[in-house]
Amino acid sequence: QVQLVESGGGLVKPGGSLRLSCAASGFTFSDDYMSWVRQASGKGLEWISYISGSGTTIYYAESLKGRFTISRDNAKNVLYLQMSSLRAEDAAVYYCARDHCSKGVCYQDYWGQGTPVTVSS
Amino acid sequence: EIVLTQSPGTLSLSPGERATLSCRASQRVNSGSLAWYQQKPGQAPRLLIYGASSRVTGIPDRFSGSGSGTDFILTISRLEPEDFAVYYCQYYGDSPRYIFGQGTKLEIK
Repeated sequence: QVQLVESGGGLVKPGGSLRLSCAASGFTFSDDYMSWVRQASGKGLEWISYISGSGTTIYYAESLKGRFTISRDNAKNVLYLQMSSLRAEDAAVYYCARDHCSKGVCYQDYWGQGTPVTVSS
Repeated sequence: EIVLTQSPGTLSLSPGERATLSCRASQRVNSGSLAWYQQKPGQAPRLLIYGASSRVTGIPDRFSGSGSGTDFILTISRLEPEDFAVYYCQYYGDSPRYIFGQGTKLEIK
């Protein structure tokens, strides 16, 4: 069965950096787009970025472009999110999700349990 | 940029009742790109409906989606206790790629 397990969250100071990981299993990782989505405490869902199976196609939410970098290692079945210049407003639970894409349309059919990020001095 | 507005913000109903949740787009969208998710406290979102009306395998048939153009509806025909949660609609578009509505909280009356 599909499993997505995030790690790497924690406490970071404003201006600091953090790299999140998402270990995938139960499907052919290199075949699928993958996304990062975050959710601040008590708030709604915010899509951050997604990356194609080969890693050659990447999109970001405009507001996060330049500070966040998505990547993947298909040999290890791991998705990454490198976050830099972190701000208080980046504090959230970060989810990785598998994108199911067909006929030009995508949606997230499997989600990890999330990893929390706290930004505080 | 397309904005998805969900209403109501909170819906208070009793088990057994029918729930109707709305998702309105700020401009016409491809219904094939509209999805609905359920999220319970402390859990990740779960995909319920994709393509506006296609139910994910394993999702009970009391959940149904409909709509086109700018107006989309998620209907839960007879509420079960486990259905009380927050529901999000989502659109897959050009830029940004994914947009979420702000969510509707379905609470027990």
